[in-house]
Amino acid sequence: SAVISQKPSRDICQRGTSLTIQCQVDSQVTMMFWYRQQPGQSLTLIATANQGSEATYESGFVIDKFPISRPNLTFSTLTVSNMSPEDSSIYLCSAGRGGDEQYFGPGTRLTVT
Amino acid sequence: QQQVKQSPQSLIVQKGGIPIINCAYENTAFDYFPWYQQFPGKGPALLIAIRPDVSEKKEGRFTISFNKSAKQFSLHIMDSQPGDSATYFCAAFSGNTGKLIFGQGTTLQVKP
Repeated sequence: SAVISQKPSRDICQRGTSLTIQCQVDSQVTMMFWYRQQPGQSLTLIATANQGSEATYESGFVIDKFPISRPNLTFSTLTVSNMSPEDSSIYLCSAGRGGDEQYFGPGTRLTVT
Repeated sequence: QQQVKQSPQSLIVQKGGIPIINCAYENTAFDYFPWYQQFPGKGPALLIAIRPDVSEKKEGRFTISFNKSAKQFSLHIMDSQPGDSATYFCAAFSGNTGKLIFGQGTTLQVKP
């Protein structure tokens, strides 16, 4: 298994600003992912964070809005850019040696006012 | 074809009961089926998982039953406890896409 931490745990941000969320894994992993979860809803995959190359985004998510970095095998960041109230959500990082057995961080609870 | 349908949406049982949560899928390329448990304010935690070459897997009080021909799988929680009250998500993974697809979630309440 992998232990995953995220920072910040929560934040309240103003419309039009950006927030960068950090994800740290306690061991080297091949795969890292970013999800969004609306309160009371299921998880939606935003993108796969690829080490050393551009992230792979899912339909409906674009790099300009959600730039992702993954400089090494244990760390990734997700930036939520030019935020609007519709971006208020829980953002989750996950990781694993493969894409099947994924372990999740505690999440970042974002509120945009 | 990428959907995973989960039911029921919510479930209330008495302590000691056996809640059952069901999931169905269409894509026969799925080859790994995990269940996640999520408590309020926490991230999902991997609970138990199964691959389609077995029909049942048990870990403690949690059992997955898998019916490959029906493309269905279910989670059973034996001797349920109030501490099991949480939201449960089924998911399915395809090596072709490299992605997990999640069900809609089931909120379980176990009454003392």
